[in-house]
Amino acid sequence: DQQVKQNSPSLSVQEGRISILNCDYTNSMFDYFLWYKKYPAEGPTFLISISSIKDKNEDGRFTVFLNKSAKHLSLHIVPSQPGDSAVYFCAASAVIIQGAQKLVFGQGTRLTINP
Amino acid sequence: DAMVIQNPRYQVTQFGKPVTLSCSQTLNHNVMYWYQQKSSQAPKLLFHYYDKDFNNEADTPDNFQSRRPNTSFCFLDIRSPGLGDAAMYLCATSRGASAYNEQFFGPGTRLTVL
Repeated sequence: DQQVKQNSPSLSVQEGRISILNCDYTNSMFDYFLWYKKYPAEGPTFLISISSIKDKNEDGRFTVFLNKSAKHLSLHIVPSQPGDSAVYFCAASAVIIQGAQKLVFGQGTRLTINP
Repeated sequence: DAMVIQNPRYQVTQFGKPVTLSCSQTLNHNVMYWYQQKSSQAPKLLFHYYDKDFNNEADTPDNFQSRRPNTSFCFLDIRSPGLGDAAMYLCATSRGASAYNEQFFGPGTRLTVL
């Protein structure tokens, strides 16, 4: 039972163009959504997040869109740069015991930005 | 720099031979998490500590245990590793107390079981 899905294992985009990474979820109880970026030999690092009460959050070149009715979120990167080449994980959050945050991750999408 | 450190980065063990993975943090965060990530799969939460309180995920095998002797350190013990336990093990921390606290991840320990 995979509650968070990233259906594209890989994506290749030309430098300067827009990268769009997609994520679908099934659990309506998720109240917060995050994107993490992972370079080889490093742990995931937080990139951007969005609360379930919003439909858009923007931070520089990165924008996350949330469509609650479709249970879908997407990450837009524009313009894409070679340094954006990494694996991107979508994660959904639900509060568990004692206020600790439980993240449920998607499988990741490997983004490659071509010069 | 404040960070989450995992040792070793690569661990090789034999089938059935107990192994311990280590995580330390300088962030003074209340919560420490252990995730398992198998090849091309999503990281999966095994358990977490909120201060000294241990919280196990319902589907975490009994083979996996954890210890947190103090705020800074957390250990993952695999009592009898099987071939299916070969994976990347990620440690993460968060300040806790809110669903909106960022989780900070270590670089992971890649476990190979021979």
